[in-house]
Amino acid sequence: DQQVKQNSPSLSVQEGRISILNCDYTNSMFDYFLWYKKYPAEGPTFLISISSIKDKNEDGRFTVFLNKSAKHLSLHIVPSQPGDSAVYFCAASARTFGNEKLTFGTGTRLTIIP
Amino acid sequence: NAGVTQTPKFQVLKTGQSMTLQCAQDMNHEYMSWYRQDPGMGLRLIHYSVGAGITDQGEVPNGYNVSRSTTEDFPLRLLSAAPSQTSVYFCASTRGGNADPGKLFFGSGTQLSVL
Repeated sequence: DQQVKQNSPSLSVQEGRISILNCDYTNSMFDYFLWYKKYPAEGPTFLISISSIKDKNEDGRFTVFLNKSAKHLSLHIVPSQPGDSAVYFCAASARTFGNEKLTFGTGTRLTIIP
Repeated sequence: NAGVTQTPKFQVLKTGQSMTLQCAQDMNHEYMSWYRQDPGMGLRLIHYSVGAGITDQGEVPNGYNVSRSTTEDFPLRLLSAAPSQTSVYFCASTRGGNADPGKLFFGSGTQLSVL
């Protein structure tokens, strides 16, 4: 039972345009959501997060939007750059289970076309 | 600044062999965990520890053992390797608490093949 889903395995975007990565979750206990970025042969690195009490969090070119009623979050990257080409994992946690125990999605491979 | 260090980077085992994947962090983090990454499955939690002497099971603990004798080290032991344990293994650590919920620092991974 996949509690965090990323339905798009891959996405290609022209350099300079907006990249939108989507994530859906099913467990209503989740109250914290994160995005991780992973390059080949490296471990994932934290990118941006959002608490369930907010609907938007911004950090430079990266913005995460949370729609609790739809159990949906998205990551926007504007403008997209070649260095953004990587696999992006959505993750969720619940204070009840322990904030550090993350449930990950299956990942979306983002390719930025120069 | 080493962060989270995993060894070895690559390992090939025969079915039934045992081995230990090493993980060490130098950030004085209380919380450490092990994940495995498989195609189409994302990262799944194997075991975790909230401090020295305390460990608990994650989502996929069968076939793995852990111990936490020091804050710095969190080794993962495969008792009798099986082909289903072929995967990429990541160790992670974090300070824990509410300061940065869920912000894990990952090692670079160990690619394990069991023949």
